[in-house]
Amino acid sequence: QLQLQESGPGLLKPSETLSLTCTVSGGSIINNNYYWGWIRQPPGKGLEWIGNIYYSGSTYYDPSLKSRVTISIDTTKNQFSLKLRSVTAADTAVYYCARQSWGTPFHFDYWGQGTLVTVSS
Amino acid sequence: QSALTQPPSASGSPGQSVTISCTGTSSDVGGYNYVSWYQQHPGKAPKLMISEVSERPSGVPDRFSGSKSGNTASLTVSRLQAEDEADYYCSSYAGSDNVLFGGGTKLTVL
Repeated sequence: QLQLQESGPGLLKPSETLSLTCTVSGGSIINNNYYWGWIRQPPGKGLEWIGNIYYSGSTYYDPSLKSRVTISIDTTKNQFSLKLRSVTAADTAVYYCARQSWGTPFHFDYWGQGTLVTVSS
Repeated sequence: QSALTQPPSASGSPGQSVTISCTGTSSDVGGYNYVSWYQQHPGKAPKLMISEVSERPSGVPDRFSGSKSGNTASLTVSRLQAEDEADYYCSSYAGSDNVLFGGGTKLTVL
């Protein structure tokens, strides 16, 4: 059974860089059929897609976050990572990693449990 | 791009049916059959319930069904059960390598 687990600091100060890692177990991150994505959910609010990455390193990003986001992948560790620069309180959210099928079908089928990141001075 | 539009809340009694709408534009919901629906219980990760407008993944009860007409997709939950009480989110491919989610609908089983 595929499992995803987010890890990283839970508290940041404004202007710092958010760095999270998603470790994939129970399957290889090298898979022709899937991308690996990040989604966030501000407290009490809806889901927001951040972006994703293919095992080759190809990425897609949400246009509104593109200037601050970098997603990378380490196939040797079966991990992929998120960096979000210059954070503000508006970036406070639960951050999820997920396996994303990009094409047919088009969906997120496996999710991590999520990790809360709080931005506060 | 704006999030897809969902009603904030919906409700129904056990055994009844309820339908949740997800309205977008011809550039997202209306332009592709790439609408999916997710169920989220409090404090939990979202769970895929419907893919590609109306496809039910293995293990999802057949009480859940999806459809689309024009720029609006819908999720119907039939024969409501207490465990169906959760937040539901729609998602769609939005063109230009972008993905949108809806604002979410809180389903209450009365």
